[in-house]
Amino acid sequence: QKEVEQNSGPLSVPEGAIASLNCTYSDRGSQSFFWYRQYSGKSPELIMFIYSNGDKEDGRFTAQLNKASQYVSLLIRDSQPSDSATYLCAVNRDTGKLIFGQGTTLQVKP
Amino acid sequence: DAEITQSPRHKITETGRQVTLACHQTWNHNNMFWYRQDLGHGLRLIHYSYGVQDTNKGEVSDGYSVSRSNTEDLPLTLESAASSQTSVYFCASGPGTDTQYFGPGTRLTVL
Repeated sequence: QKEVEQNSGPLSVPEGAIASLNCTYSDRGSQSFFWYRQYSGKSPELIMFIYSNGDKEDGRFTAQLNKASQYVSLLIRDSQPSDSATYLCAVNRDTGKLIFGQGTTLQVKP
Repeated sequence: DAEITQSPRHKITETGRQVTLACHQTWNHNNMFWYRQDLGHGLRLIHYSYGVQDTNKGEVSDGYSVSRSNTEDLPLTLESAASSQTSVYFCASGPGTDTQYFGPGTRLTVL
């Protein structure tokens, strides 16, 4: 079992819809959780982080964390073609190192 | 503006040669990291440093080394380049033990 798992996709949504990206992790000791966006040929860009159970909203993005279920999600409201990218989930274990999932490719169709 | 830079952005080398990839950040972050990214494997940690004179091995450290003589720089050296080290290399830095900000990457090809 991989430590951080994501569905590779592609996840295809129409413009204006809500995109839901999911991530599960195996280490119950994980402390903090991150979402990075990576456009093709570019470097990962931090878009959200969450430490506590529940929801955290930032503009069109909402991160959701459920530690009991070991589940993190990212919702993107009013999806735009410019949101088309690979989204990487990362988990911080007690060592302070980030463990990355392999990413979910999102395609937003006009 | 503070930033993190990597050089060169593209490098082609031959098997057996020593190669050094540079990483420089102006945020004054204590923590710096090197990753490689390959299709099917995602981002994998090579080496990391929590401060000057501190270096640690990551998940895929064989064939790589780093040294940290100041806060701003963490160069990555491939002692004897192998074709299996063809990859995209990302440097990252962060102020604490979790949040990391990535450089633009170096695409390395070993022939």
